[in-house]
Parts: sequence; C-alpha cells; structure tokens
Amino acid sequence: DGGITQSPKYLFRKEGQNVTLSCEQNLNHDAMYWYRQDPGQGLRLIYYSQIVNDFQKGDIAEGYSVSREKKESFPLTVTSAQKNPTAFYLCASSKTSFPPETQYFGPGTRLLVL
Amino acid sequence: AQSVTQLDSQVPVFEEAPVELRCNYSSSVSVYLFWYVQYPNQGLQLLLKYLSGSTLVESINGFEAEFNKSQTSFHLRKPSVHISDTAEYFCAVSGPREAGGYNKLIFGAGTRLAVHP
Repeated sequence: DGGITQSPKYLFRKEGQNVTLSCEQNLNHDAMYWYRQDPGQGLRLIYYSQIVNDFQKGDIAEGYSVSREKKESFPLTVTSAQKNPTAFYLCASSKTSFPPETQYFGPGTRLLVL
Repeated sequence: AQSVTQLDSQVPVFEEAPVELRCNYSSSVSVYLFWYVQYPNQGLQLLLKYLSGSTLVESINGFEAEFNKSQTSFHLRKPSVHISDTAEYFCAVSGPREAGGYNKLIFGAGTRLAVHP
C-alpha cells in the first residue's frame, strides 16, 4: 500500500535533549512537509522540501532542523532550543505540479516532555 | 499575507440534521481552497478542494462547499450528518504561486464537529 509512515507514535523528550521524528513516503512525491498541531491553533508549517537536498523554513522553524537526503525520507529533529515542544507533529507529502496538488498526511507523532 | 478564519471552534449537532462549517479567507491573489478532515488521533485526509471551474464542489460522502469570491468564503455543508462525521475539519488556502509557494497550505484553526444521537 502506498502512503506515509511516521514513527514513533509517541515520543518523550527530556530537558536539553534532541529528538528525531521519522517520516517516510512511498508515493514518489517530490514535496514533503512538517507541521505542528496545537489545540485551537490548526496546523503550522515548520519546514518543507520540494526536492532532494533542498528545504525551506516555514512559519515556525526556530528550534527545529530537517534533512532531505533521500526522496522518500524527511526526518525532523526537535532540538533543545525548542522550549515548548509538546505538540502533535504531522508529516505530509505531495506532487509539485500546478495547480496545487493534494497533500497526503501521515498518522502523526505526539511529542511529550518529561 | 494570506490567512484563513474558521468562525466556529465547535459545532454540536444532532444526527440527521444539516450542518454548515464556515470558512473565510483573505488573499490578494487567485486562491485554491481545501477542506481536510481529521478523525481522533489521526492525520488529515482531503475532503474536497476548489481549484477552478464550478464554484460548488462535492465530496464522496455527501459534503459540499461553495467558493464565493465576493464574500471570500468557502463554507462546508452537509444536508444530513451521521455520527461517523464527528471529527475536526480544517479549511486551508494555498500559498502564492511565486517561488513555488502554491504548494504551501495555510490552515485555519479548525472546527470540531460533534454529532449527537
């Protein structure tokens, strides 16, 4: 089955620790995205990538980092500089043609701070 | 800058009643509009989208939305809801076309639809 997988489902972070969230897709999509979801705030874009080895900051990139070494993979690292990391993190992918294509979402990772 | 406002954070409704979830957007350029649905503890799924053509778009499970350019709205409606429609619904607008921004989505805060028996 084609789709997007995210792991782990739940992740616990200790003070001062960096943690990495995994996102893999087998839809052959060029574009991938990371969103943060907080109650009552909708989804906010952290980073996006439209091609391998290239990515751009979204609206709330501070305290996060990404890499895009393979088309299928777009891991997100939540660094110790992110002071309020507790949230639901969603990864998505899409084609890059115009008009804009549907974004397909993974099941999400819930990050909690110990 | 583009933005999306979902006017109701929660909408309670009885089963088989009609429902409207309101969405207004602000944009100075051509827009492409989306409604996504999120069931508890899951990712988002596309419900329907407006790209061009007919201003009334429909989903396979009975929802419809109408693009109204003069009122900058894209309200979502269903004539008769089911318990299974209980979910959170997000309206989104695509970013500007320049520099590939059309692939970016700006989301509203979401509307939680609660269908009661």
